[in-house]
Amino acid sequence: QVQLVQSGAEVKKPGASMKVSCKASGYSLINYDINWLRQASGQGLEWMGWMNPENGKTAYAPKFQGRVTITRNTSVNTAYMELSSLGSEDTAVYYCARGRSGFGEADVWGKGTTVTVSS
Amino acid sequence: DIVMTQTPLSLPVTPGEPASISCRSSQSLLETDNGYIYLDWYLQKPGQSPQLLISTLSHRASGVPDRISGSGSDTNFTLKISRVEAEDVGVYYCMQRIEFPFTFGPGTKVDIK
Repeated sequence: QVQLVQSGAEVKKPGASMKVSCKASGYSLINYDINWLRQASGQGLEWMGWMNPENGKTAYAPKFQGRVTITRNTSVNTAYMELSSLGSEDTAVYYCARGRSGFGEADVWGKGTTVTVSS
Repeated sequence: DIVMTQTPLSLPVTPGEPASISCRSSQSLLETDNGYIYLDWYLQKPGQSPQLLISTLSHRASGVPDRISGSGSDTNFTLKISRVEAEDVGVYYCMQRIEFPFTFGPGTKVDIK
């Protein structure tokens, strides 16, 4: 069964960094792109960035440029998203989603990781 | 960035009746090299992750019933449900992926009257 398994909920202090993992199950990570998105409570979806896990190429939304880093470890079939300099506005559910190659549609989504930023 | 808008933002529906959601983009989503329009539709059911409904304007994702369809042109797009069922409730989002950053519409909340 194809799925993306995300790491558990986190609570962070303002100014700290967060790192969410996304383990691909039922397929090889390098065969599809990975997107990272987030959703604040009661709000819409926001795209943060993209990676081609085969070659490691990335693209980030300008809003997060300089604060977000997407990486992968192909030996464990897992992608990661790190966000630094956290503020309360970063409190959200963070999703990874598989994208078909060539900047394709997000056809498989993780269940989301809730990150709360609070002092 | 390409701005995506949706109307209506709220849509009360009657089971068995049709429903339609509109989406517009601030720039053309038509890739002239291949003729594809890079517009997708997602549904987020209450308490769940979003799920893909329609990709590339009109291609239904696996398992999506044929009473759900997508259509449109370069900048104007429509999602239609021919006969609404209770399982269709949730928030519908259109998303463009012709260029980075990918951007979403604000969402249309569909619920039963």
